[in-house]
Amino acid sequence: GENVEQHPSTLSVQEGDSAVIKCTYSDSASNYFPWYKQELGKRPQLIIDIRSNVGEKKDQRIAVTLNKTAKHFSLHITETQPEDSAVYFCAASGLDAGNMLTFGGGTRLMVKP
Amino acid sequence: EAQVTQNPRYLITVTGKKLTVTCSQNMNHEYMSWYRQDPGLGLRQIYYSMNVEVTDKGDVPEGYKVSRKEKRNFPLILESPSPNQTSLYFCASSSPEAGGPYEQYFGPGTRLTVT
Repeated sequence: GENVEQHPSTLSVQEGDSAVIKCTYSDSASNYFPWYKQELGKRPQLIIDIRSNVGEKKDQRIAVTLNKTAKHFSLHITETQPEDSAVYFCAASGLDAGNMLTFGGGTRLMVKP
Repeated sequence: EAQVTQNPRYLITVTGKKLTVTCSQNMNHEYMSWYRQDPGLGLRQIYYSMNVEVTDKGDVPEGYKVSRKEKRNFPLILESPSPNQTSLYFCASSSPEAGGPYEQYFGPGTRLTVT
């Protein structure tokens, strides 16, 4: 089955700096890669996703890049703000795999004011 | 309001006492899943269902059962809970769109402690 590894497990940045979280996956058939944000005590929520026919996708201060050859994808957050502090999860799935999402272990991002 | 609900939100029980965590969604989603969240391990899928009467094992199904008799409900059953099932549980639902993606809508979570 799919295996997703996520690094780093914790990341501390100064407000205004950029943050990058990286994930690798093992199944070359995976073609859907979402990112979820989980604030303390709350449920995970989708913040951005990318499909394998696209190399990069951007939504305001967040962007995701995908390298299918190397089987890794990354989340980039620019101009970080204290409200970006949360745990971020990457995940991978085949679009034909129905509801089978495999998540990474999570990254705790702390943005210091 | 579109939502996924879970009950109970908190539960402390003893080893071997059967329990059920309910999950319900009002978005008419075909797909539903159960995850457990443990520190450092992220979210691991327990079971998922692609439609009524269709369920499949996820990555960590041992010790759990599910049923999908109605589209809106997907209960998680622990027939004989053990301490290693102490965890935070999330139910999620989604709907396939042409060409994807399948955004997962998560419930508020159920914190289960088995002593």
